[in-house]
Amino acid sequence: DADVTQTPRNRITKTGKRIMLECSQTKGHDRMYWYRQDPGLGLRLIYYSFDVKDINKGEISDGYSVSRQAQAKFSLSLESAIPNQTALYFCATSDPGQGNTGELFFGEGSRLTVL
Amino acid sequence: SQKIEQNSEALNIQEGKTATLTCNYTNYSPAYLQWYRQDPGRGPVFLLLIRENEKEKRKERLKVTFDTTLKQSLFHITASQPADSATYLCALDLARQLTFGSGTQLTVLP
Repeated sequence: DADVTQTPRNRITKTGKRIMLECSQTKGHDRMYWYRQDPGLGLRLIYYSFDVKDINKGEISDGYSVSRQAQAKFSLSLESAIPNQTALYFCATSDPGQGNTGELFFGEGSRLTVL
Repeated sequence: SQKIEQNSEALNIQEGKTATLTCNYTNYSPAYLQWYRQDPGRGPVFLLLIRENEKEKRKERLKVTFDTTLKQSLFHITASQPADSATYLCALDLARQLTFGSGTQLTVLP
C-alpha cells in the first residue's frame, strides 16, 4: 500500500457542487500539505498543517477549505466548485529536519474536472 | 515580486551526455533547496536537498549546486539515460513550506 493515499483519483463534477478530496498517510508525519498543479504553473500550495490544531493558508487558499481529522488524515474541500479549479491535486507529508521542511512524500494525485 | 524560474520548459539531450537544468529565483532567501522528479500522472519524488552553505551535493549520477549570491541552483545528470526522461522540479525550502518552480521537462534521446 502507498504511504500517502488520495481519494478519489479522478472526479468529474459540475459547477456549484461541493467536493471533498481525502488524503491519508501511514508515514506518521505531523506535517501535511495540499498542492494543486496546473500546466505551466507548477505546484502551488493551497493549505498546510503542522498538526491537528495547526492549519495554515498557502498561496492560493481562496475557494478551498481543509480539515485535519487526525494526524493521518487531511481533507481538502471545494465548497462550490468552479471550472478554474479544474486541476491535479496533490497531498504530501513531511518530517522536518533541522531548520528545513524535510523531504516531501507525495500521493498519486487527484484529478478534478469541474464542468 | 517573488519568482522561481526553471530554464526552458523542455530540454532534449542525447543519451550519454550531461543534462544541466537551471533554477533561478528572485526575492527569496532560502536556506535550503530541493530537487524533485515527476513522471507523467505521478506525484513528485524527492531527489536531493542542499543547504545554503553547501556548494555542491552529489548522489550517484546526480549533482546539485547552490549559489546564494547568484540566486541559482544547477542540477546535473551525468551519463544520461532514456529512463531519466521526466520533469524535474526545483523547490525553495522556506522552513515552513516548499515553493516550487514550474519544472523542466527533460527528454533523453536514445
